[in-house]
Amino acid sequence: SQQGEEDPQALSIQEGENATMNCSYKTSINNLQWYRQNSGRGLVHLILIRSNEREKHSGRLRVTLDTSKKSSSLLITASRAADTASYFCATQDTGGFKTIFGAGTRLFVKA
Amino acid sequence: DGGITQSPKYLFRKEGQNVTLSCEQNLNHDAMYWYRQDPGQGLRLIYYSQIVNDFQKGDIAEGYSVSREKKESFPLTVTSAQKNPTAFYLCASSIDLAQPQHFGDGTRLSIL
Repeated sequence: SQQGEEDPQALSIQEGENATMNCSYKTSINNLQWYRQNSGRGLVHLILIRSNEREKHSGRLRVTLDTSKKSSSLLITASRAADTASYFCATQDTGGFKTIFGAGTRLFVKA
Repeated sequence: DGGITQSPKYLFRKEGQNVTLSCEQNLNHDAMYWYRQDPGQGLRLIYYSQIVNDFQKGDIAEGYSVSREKKESFPLTVTSAQKNPTAFYLCASSIDLAQPQHFGDGTRLSIL
């Protein structure tokens, strides 16, 4: 079962532009995480935001969480060609600590 | 360096064969996971283990089996009962079930 749904499915931007990806989910959560996956590689954890937090920053990443709308966004500022990857949101529910991954947003940053 | 090692990177299976994918971690993590990823899709949980000698079925456990005899090892066997095994398999670990996961670089399984 997939809880997180990312939007858009794919995004193509120029280097230097900002990239925004959105994630919606259905049930109550303990936290929401964002991961990055380069082609043919494993996922790398980027940032975790807890259900009682509204915004979190890490370098060029900014994550927001709106639990009333059951949605989150990931903003990558001043994107670089090296940011080209797939980005996944993952939610951890309040029940059994199960983490559920969405289908991902494929980001392509053109140099 | 601490991390998760999956081997082999590529694996080919003949019809009717069982194959075992290896996953080893030296992060001293209690929890370990196996996921399946199909092209252009997210991850689906096959099995997970909260602690040594314990494991639980995920969303798509049919046709797969696991063992957790050692903390650092969580091998996955894809049995002949799995009718569509071609996929990218990812192993992950975490300090416990509530913490972010660290992933290996995957094994790509194909049917000959």
